[in-house]
Amino acid sequence: GAGVSQSPRYKVAKRGQDVALRCDPISGHVSLFWYQQALGQGPEFLTYFQNEAQLDKSGLPSDRFFAERPEGSVSTLKIQRTQQEDSAVYLCASSLGDRGIETQYFGPGTRLLVL
Amino acid sequence: QKEVEQNSGPLSVPEGAIASLNCTYSDRGSQSFFWYRQYSGKSPELIMSIYSNGDKEDGRFTAQLNKASQYVSLLIRDSQPSDSATYLCAVINSGGYQKVTFGIGTKLQVIP
Repeated sequence: GAGVSQSPRYKVAKRGQDVALRCDPISGHVSLFWYQQALGQGPEFLTYFQNEAQLDKSGLPSDRFFAERPEGSVSTLKIQRTQQEDSAVYLCASSLGDRGIETQYFGPGTRLLVL
Repeated sequence: QKEVEQNSGPLSVPEGAIASLNCTYSDRGSQSFFWYRQYSGKSPELIMSIYSNGDKEDGRFTAQLNKASQYVSLLIRDSQPSDSATYLCAVINSGGYQKVTFGIGTKLQVIP
């Protein structure tokens, strides 16, 4: 079956623009995660959804970052008034259950460049 | 102190040798440990998971966990040039659900 997909794959934004990044998890996966990966760093946790409930958003760096998963499947990460420090790869991952031991499957990521 | 520590490398090994990748973590209550491989420009892919002390083998890969020392390692036997990638150590903290903390990753170069 299809894996996790993300769109767009690349996004160039001018500083101050709003952007929306989409994640389509594997069908039936309960858990969905967003990560931010800066160049040369490991992925940094942003937020976690269990179905439509956002259970943890402690990793969101500022109130300019907002994520939703209204129907428990597709998720959108929105960044308002983008800044240069937001430039990174944004990774989405999903897993089947919520017990903390299932494999997380990653999407290809969205590479965001803020000029 | 970062929650998950790895040497960023690069670690260079000749083809056919054993590559040893190491990781330490700070949360003593952590229960789940993972090794992901990430090729340049690609997303991470899971290669090993380990949950209890000792060794776990899967083909050329062996994961080792020592909870008392808060240490997890990955051994790659008969290293191949195709193993050249960044290896990310990941830990699920004791807070539950599935919050995963990644290390910075160790870049492995296998020299033909």
